[in-house]
Order: sequence, then C-alpha cells, then structure tokens
Amino acid sequence: NAGVTQTPKFQVLKTGQSMTLQCAQDMNHNSMYWYRQDPGMGLRLIYYSASEGTTDKGEVPNGYNVSRLNKREFSLRLESAAPSQTSVYFCASSEWGAHTGDEQYFGPGTRLTVT
Amino acid sequence: TQLLEQSPQFLSIQEGENLTVYCNSSSVFSSLQWYRQEPGEGPVLLVTVVTGGEVKKLKRLTFQFGDARKDSSLHITAAQPGDTGLYLCAGPFAGGTSYGKLTFGQGTILTVHP
Repeated sequence: NAGVTQTPKFQVLKTGQSMTLQCAQDMNHNSMYWYRQDPGMGLRLIYYSASEGTTDKGEVPNGYNVSRLNKREFSLRLESAAPSQTSVYFCASSEWGAHTGDEQYFGPGTRLTVT
Repeated sequence: TQLLEQSPQFLSIQEGENLTVYCNSSSVFSSLQWYRQEPGEGPVLLVTVVTGGEVKKLKRLTFQFGDARKDSSLHITAAQPGDTGLYLCAGPFAGGTSYGKLTFGQGTILTVHP
C-alpha cells in the first residue's frame, strides 16, 4: 500500500518548457488535489478533482492544467513554465471532499525549479 | 475569501519548554485540521476538530477549537526535538464553487533545541 506517489521528485526546467507532474493513489479515494508550497505561504490549492471526470480550479490555477485520468491518477501540466512556478508541488487525496473533514493524504512532493 | 492566519510564523525554543500556536480567521469553519510536515515530506494529519469549544489531546499536544469556530490553537507541553517541523492549520471553504476544497494557514516553523 504505497499511499500517494508522485513523479518526478526533482525537476529543472527552462522558461517556456512544458512538463507533466504525475500523481497516483491506491486508497480508492474519490477526491484528489494539487497544491504548491512556497516559503511563508503554506499550501495553496491549484486544482481539485471531486471525482473521476470532474476538475475545479483552486486559488492559483493560472498557468496550469489538470487531467483526472481515472480514479487513481491526477496529473498536473505546465504548458509554458515560468520562474514564478518554481515551487514544491504536492498531490493529495481524500475519501471525500474537504467539507466532510476527511483527512487528506499527501505525496512526498515534486521540487520544481524554473530557470 | 476565507483566510487562516497563523502565529507565530517562527518559533525557536529549548527542549522542555511549552508553546502555543494560534490559527485565526474572521470566518466560521465547519471544522479545522492541524497537519505537521517534516523537511522533504508531505504534511501528515494530526487532528480534526469539529465542535465549537472542543479540546482534543494527542500525548503532549492539546488542540482547541474556539467556541465560535473561527479559531484554533495547538499547545505543546514539554517540547522535544522530535516536535521540530512545520505546523499547518487548514479548514474547508464554505459552499458555492469552493465546495470540497481546503484552505491552509501559512504555517508555523517550530525548532526545538536539545
């Protein structure tokens, strides 16, 4: 039982390059999330998926796209990376949405640097 | 916008001291959660409080949810170096298009020196 897995763990991009961050969970959870973490700013929600086939914007969606490929997998794509997107990205999942008070389970993070 | 403000942002103490971290908002939350994050890892849930005035204890950690459900506190008794980490409070957005999403405070970095 791996929980939430993320790939890659580290990535360096040049401005304008694109990449996809992969996330998978094996807990049969309905809801999945992508966050970014910057110093002094806690975690900010980028996108949220309440269930397979649905996605919704979070606080900071600009410059990102997501795909809920199936119940297990939720990917985050940067189409044209910018230095402002240098951050640590976390994927999380929960059985139901945050409104239920469910625990969110987090992956180990992807450390992205855009030069 | 529902905001959660944590204080202090940084806390550096000696082993054995007590400390309190605060999480405040002008909005009412249906529940609040506290997560702890160690360097290089994702956050891990410590506790969820759901009832105004609720107090929960986890060994040396005591969590309280304010009566009006607008604030919460985390108190650590006799801190140990193993308590070092980033502490985050979080609560669900209320209704509308924000339904089902979580907002986090900016975090408190705790360092406990031996």
